[in-house]
Amino acid sequence: KNQVEQSPQSLIILEGKNCTLQCNYTVSPFSNLRWYKQDTGRGPVSLTIMTFSENTKSNGRYTATLDADTKQSSLHITASQLSDSASYICVVSARSGGYQKVTFGTGTKLQVIP
Amino acid sequence: GAVVSQHPSRVICKSGTSVKIECRSLDFQATTMFWYRQFPKQSLMLMATSNEGSKATYEQGVEKDKFLINHASLTLSTLTVTSAHPEDSSFYICSASPGQAGIETQYFGPGTRLLVL
Repeated sequence: KNQVEQSPQSLIILEGKNCTLQCNYTVSPFSNLRWYKQDTGRGPVSLTIMTFSENTKSNGRYTATLDADTKQSSLHITASQLSDSASYICVVSARSGGYQKVTFGTGTKLQVIP
Repeated sequence: GAVVSQHPSRVICKSGTSVKIECRSLDFQATTMFWYRQFPKQSLMLMATSNEGSKATYEQGVEKDKFLINHASLTLSTLTVTSAHPEDSSFYICSASPGQAGIETQYFGPGTRLLVL
């Protein structure tokens, strides 16, 4: 069964601090992994997308890593801002024939406090 | 670019009535559109996948006669919740992809919050 587990479930950090969110998956055959940011009451917004051959990808203060061997990914947020408060969702896609099956993680709820 | 809109953003309806939610891709042609439901403190759950001009593919456990999906054009998909009940109250989110079956990145709409009284 394809599964995506994220940790921690929730996290509170001080503004300006760094943090790292984890994503472990058992999706197979792996196609790609995406990190999304979802503000409360809004749709998710894509932060990064990583394929099998990519180890690291950055988008501003967000840096995602992927270890396809251990099936783990992380999202590192540098110098956090209050606006980073949101849920961060890891989404892993499996390719089956010409189609993709996506599996969503349950998300990590991040709260950045002053 | 790649903007997806939903309308309405919020809707309150009486039990037994039907509600239609629209999802539009504003600046690209969406070959594939997805509909998700999200309950409080839970992740998105895929309800159905629709390709323009063909019938939607529903996920296991989703009643196709209750959640009617129409993907009549490359920029518009609609989800109609028929005979809504309080347990249908949820956050409904659509996403659109320019590729076949979501091979390319999905762009999400802002969501529609449905409250059934």
